[in-house]
Amino acid sequence: GAGVSQSPSNKVTEKGKDVELRCDPISGHTALYWYRQRLGQGLEFLIYFQGNSAPDKSGLPSDRFSAERTGESVSTLTIQRTQQEDSAVYLCASSVGLGLYEQYFGPGTRLTVT
Amino acid sequence: KQEVTQIPAALSVPEGENLVLNCSFTDSAIYNLQWFRQDPGKGLTSLLLIQSSQREQTSGRLNASLDKSSGRSTLYIAASQPGDSATYLCAVTNQAGTALIFGKGTTLSVSS
Repeated sequence: GAGVSQSPSNKVTEKGKDVELRCDPISGHTALYWYRQRLGQGLEFLIYFQGNSAPDKSGLPSDRFSAERTGESVSTLTIQRTQQEDSAVYLCASSVGLGLYEQYFGPGTRLTVT
Repeated sequence: KQEVTQIPAALSVPEGENLVLNCSFTDSAIYNLQWFRQDPGKGLTSLLLIQSSQREQTSGRLNASLDKSSGRSTLYIAASQPGDSATYLCAVTNQAGTALIFGKGTTLSVSS
């Protein structure tokens, strides 16, 4: 069956521009997660959704970052006024539910801010 | 705050060798522990998931153990092959079960 998909696979943008990253989770997965991996660093958790709700936004790096999910399906991570330090691979994962369940990851979006 | 450490950071072995990758975590209040493989330019592939009540899981040539009380897990790879070359990541769930906390990984190179 289809796994987690993300688009675009690569995005190059100029500093100060806004970008939108998209994640399509596995059908039926109620939990969805966003992570970031900057060059030479470990994966960093950003935000999770249970259904369409994101109860805890404290993992987002700054108020320039926002995320939404609709229809308990697609999620969009938006970065406003991009900075060079936002350059990273952004990974999305989904799972059947929270806690005990295995997370399945998408291929990621590589964002480069010039 | 949960911290995950992986040792060694890099490992090079000849084909056929058995090897062990180590992972330690500071807070034993976890739901589960996952081992992943990451190939250059690609996403993460889940290898093994160990629930907090389990001691080990096996899949093919891979065996992962979990000692929650001491905050340690090991990934054992038997009869390594060049195709095993990748970065191996260990991750534990946070106390709320809402996120994975990752180590920085062990980059494995298996030479033929």
